[in-house]
Parts: sequence; structure tokens; C-alpha cells
Amino acid sequence: KQEVTQIPAALSVPEGENLVLNCSFTDSAIYNLQWFRQDPGKGLTSLLLIQSSQREQTSGRLNASLDKSSGRSTLYIAASQPGDSATYLCAPRGEYGNKLVFGAGTILRVKS
Amino acid sequence: GAGVSQTPSNKVTEKGKYVELRCDPISGHTALYWYRQSLGQGPEFLIYFQGTGAADDSGLPNDRFFAVRPEGSVSTLKIQRTERGDSAVYLCASSLLAGGPRGGNEQFFGPGTRLTVL
Repeated sequence: KQEVTQIPAALSVPEGENLVLNCSFTDSAIYNLQWFRQDPGKGLTSLLLIQSSQREQTSGRLNASLDKSSGRSTLYIAASQPGDSATYLCAPRGEYGNKLVFGAGTILRVKS
Repeated sequence: GAGVSQTPSNKVTEKGKYVELRCDPISGHTALYWYRQSLGQGPEFLIYFQGTGAADDSGLPNDRFFAVRPEGSVSTLKIQRTERGDSAVYLCASSLLAGGPRGGNEQFFGPGTRLTVL
């Protein structure tokens, strides 16, 4: 059974800092991994999807890396802004089946 | 529509009642997913449809939960004899395709329905 852990559980940083969110998963047999953002009381917004054959994916100030064999992914946020404050969730999709398995998320607060 | 829509946005019901939650996926998306999110946790998978059929319902907690997608578009999640433990946010997602390692399987989520069972 896939288990996903996200570290840290919460993070508070001043505006402008570069930061790294970590995601680890126990079963490396995955097809892809998605990173999401969730604002309070809202649904999930897909940020990046990395296929199992890829090592990195970039979108604007966001960069996600994937080390499938070691069961790890990181989300790098450059030059953080107060608008980046949200909960960030990672979710690998297994090779057998189409469901995403989510971690509990990292709650990010960027202070102005 | 432009994105996944879910209705109602909020539903308050009494223990023992029956509820229906609706999901309208992105037009043209063949795969549809239901997840449930409790406070402070990540979403948990409930069921996935490929077209009209439930391809994986392994996440449904018990037989009080049932979902349908009769025409391969809109889906309804049905909960019978609701219990206080069913209180959560129910999220729906859709993807263009399903299965396989290639593109088109990115999941897009709706805003959710917050269910409160008193």
C-alpha cells in the first residue's frame, strides 16, 4: 500500500526566500506524480505533473524534481511571495490503477 | 464548462438521511474520480470511472456509498443512512484519459462539496 509523507508539515518564511518542500513515497512503482496547491476552503489546483520517465518539470517560479527509485520528489519555489501561502500536496499515481495517493500536505505561509 | 463543477457547495443533513452529491467534469474528459478529504488530511480515493463504468471502487468505505455515471459525463455520489463520520469535503476530479504512462492523465479537481452530518 502506497504511503506518502510530506516534510515539513508547516513552514513560515519571509517574502523573497527560496524554499523546498519534500515528498517521499514508499512504493516506487509509479506512473507519474502531481503537485497541487490548496487554498483554505477550496479545491485543489494542479501545479505540475511529472511523468515517471522525467527527472524535472518547471512552471514559472516552480520546479519539481522526481527520483523515482528512491521514492522522493521535491517542489522548489523561487522568490516566494505572500500569494504563495497555501497547502501544498503531492500525489503519486501508481502503475496499477489510476488513483492518486496524497500526503497530508505542507502548510506554507509567506510573510510580507 | 471551463472546469470541474460540483453541487451543492455545502450540504448539511441529519444522521440517517440520504444525500446525493453531483459532479460535472470538464467537457470531453473520459475519466472521473471521487475523493474524500477530512480536516487536516490529504484527499483519499473513493472511486474512479472510465466512461460509464466504475473501473475501481476499492476506496468506497462501505455499502452505504454508491456512485453512478450513466451517460459518461455527470456523476452522482450517493450516501445512504448518513453517519456523523461521513462529514468531510467530497472532491471530484476528471482527466482527459485514463491508464497508461503517457500524457492526458493529469487530474483536475472541482471545488468540492462540504458535507456536514449532524
